[in-house]
Amino acid sequence: DADVTQTPRNRITKTGKRIMLECSQTKGHDRMYWYRQDPGLGLRLIYYSFDVKDINKGEISDGYSVSRQAQAKFSLSLESAIPNQTALYFCATSGGRGQPQHFGDGTRLSIL
Amino acid sequence: GNSVTQMEGPVTLSEEAFLTINCTYTATGYPSLFWYVQYPGEGLQLLLKATKADDKGSNKGFEATYRKETTSFHLEKGSVQVSDSAVYFCALSQGYHNDMRFGAGTRLTVKP
Repeated sequence: DADVTQTPRNRITKTGKRIMLECSQTKGHDRMYWYRQDPGLGLRLIYYSFDVKDINKGEISDGYSVSRQAQAKFSLSLESAIPNQTALYFCATSGGRGQPQHFGDGTRLSIL
Repeated sequence: GNSVTQMEGPVTLSEEAFLTINCTYTATGYPSLFWYVQYPGEGLQLLLKATKADDKGSNKGFEATYRKETTSFHLEKGSVQVSDSAVYFCALSQGYHNDMRFGAGTRLTVKP
């Protein structure tokens, strides 16, 4: 089984809909991250969390919210989806400062 | 702020050719440096890392040396294989939050 699991893997939805992407991990890491990937732009950080009570905005948090339901679960919500949020979304975990991040397989989100 | 600039792709090579993908960074102090690889339909996987100046990271025949004087972390492989075809990302992390900054990615295609 994958250490970092994202659901769904693919989602197509309409403008204005609320969408939740979920991430769960079995690595026992405290740190969890959400990124979006766009062609030619690499990955950009949306939100990150160091524990259930610690949530931080990344460089592109507008239009997104997150919830850290447990150490192992970190979900990303789009309250009212818009077409320019069409992208590939990745969840990642990390064991601490200077440590590599471990990624899920991504959620491909298309907003029509 | 911190940033990573990597060689634009796509890069197309014949099997057994020598590979170099250039990566330079901007950061204060001594960030940790990483190369990640992304195969089609998958998340990013750590390929190698280096945490201090002059460290050499290596894995699966790939190497990169942390050069503080040139702020570079170029990826090299002496003889590429078709199975190396993927997108390669250079990244750095620094500070307590382990904020990871990614380059735009370089797509490598290796032809038989």
